[in-house]
Amino acid sequence: DAGVIQSPRHEVTEMGQEVTLRCKPISGHNSLFWYRQTMMRGLELLIYFNNNVPIDDSGMPEDRFSAKMPNASFSTLKIQPSEPRDSAVYFCASSLDASGDTQYFGPGTRLTVL
Amino acid sequence: AQSVTQPDIHITVSEGASLELRCNYSYGATPYLFWYVQSPGQGLQLLLKYFSGDTLVQGIKGFEAEFKRSQSSFNLRKPSVHWSDAAEYFCAVDDFGNEKLTFGTGTRLTIIP
Repeated sequence: DAGVIQSPRHEVTEMGQEVTLRCKPISGHNSLFWYRQTMMRGLELLIYFNNNVPIDDSGMPEDRFSAKMPNASFSTLKIQPSEPRDSAVYFCASSLDASGDTQYFGPGTRLTVL
Repeated sequence: AQSVTQPDIHITVSEGASLELRCNYSYGATPYLFWYVQSPGQGLQLLLKYFSGDTLVQGIKGFEAEFKRSQSSFNLRKPSVHWSDAAEYFCAVDDFGNEKLTFGTGTRLTIIP
């Protein structure tokens, strides 16, 4: 099993540019999570999907952030326009379906906004 | 709102010594409890989890954790650490019936020879 795949692994962009982060969950997993990790705020849940439907997006910081899951094998997190304070490591995780199921994390995307 | 507290930001332990990392949670019921480990530049990996039953749970890499309801704690232990255990460790809580994980701020573990 390839595990959760994220791309790109590193992204450097300039303020105001659009950034798209991608995630492929583990095959057969029905839940997908996007997290952000920073030194100041630690690990925060941004949004999670179940069966491709967004269930809770209360952690999405503002309208500049959007996430989609068009099918069971792909999700994107988009930031438009990006700002320096968005610099962080963004993790995608997936799990089978239910509360308490193990979440499997991808390697993360390190985003730097200049 | 539920919360998870890891009071130790950084711990240094000699190789071969025992280890205990502390975790306290604030929640009315007994939630699902997890310990994850993050090696530098990597994602998080599950070490162990507790749902119910035996309050001492065994995990991977020789780790164990004990749930103590009276103290709202779920401390992680290892009897003898190895240099490869150097990493960041996160305690997390999942509401029953809710897939959302709330993570603690993490404890960074340094191993000295």
